[in-house]
Amino acid sequence: NAGVTQTPKFQVLKTGQSMTLQCAQDMNHEYMSWYRQDPGMGLRLIHYSVGAGITDQGEVPNGYNVSRSTTEDFPLRLLSAAPSQTSVYFCASSYSRDSANEQFFGPGTRLTVL
Amino acid sequence: KNEVEQSPQNLTAQEGEFITINCSYSVGISALHWLQQHPGGGIVSLFMLSSGKKKHGRLIATINIQEKHSSLHITASHPRDSAVYICAVQEDMRFGAGTRLTVKP
Repeated sequence: NAGVTQTPKFQVLKTGQSMTLQCAQDMNHEYMSWYRQDPGMGLRLIHYSVGAGITDQGEVPNGYNVSRSTTEDFPLRLLSAAPSQTSVYFCASSYSRDSANEQFFGPGTRLTVL
Repeated sequence: KNEVEQSPQNLTAQEGEFITINCSYSVGISALHWLQQHPGGGIVSLFMLSSGKKKHGRLIATINIQEKHSSLHITASHPRDSAVYICAVQEDMRFGAGTRLTVKP
């Protein structure tokens, strides 16, 4: 199993550009989530999904969109990038949200918005 | 104020020392996670616990639900333990800011 994969690893954008961060898992996990990690702060939940076709907002959803058309994939879209979105982004998955299940994290995407 | 507080923020130890990292939280939870983030950035799950104590090798995690407090202990620390250790509470996955541990040979 590849686990949780993320692409790209690094990305530089100009203000106003759009892009999609890809996330995929091959563990048949129902729960997937996106986090951003900023210096001096803990990981913060952006959006999450409890299954295909179901998404919801986390703590810091503004400026980001998600969709979940399949169990495997959970892309994160930045519609109009802003310097405040410079961060490291992690995708994670687990069997479910409600139970105390182990979370598996992707390797992260380091995004810089100029 | 963050709902999940970790202490210390930074910790430097000599190889072989006993390490304790603390995590306090203010919300009711069903489970608490300890994660390790390597210098390269990857995050792995170390423990998930809802009561008592768990042990894996040189790592021990304890939780006191009534006091809303958890500790991560590392016995006989080694330079390869150098990493950021993060606690997180299951409900809405709130994370502490992390404790950066450096173990010197």
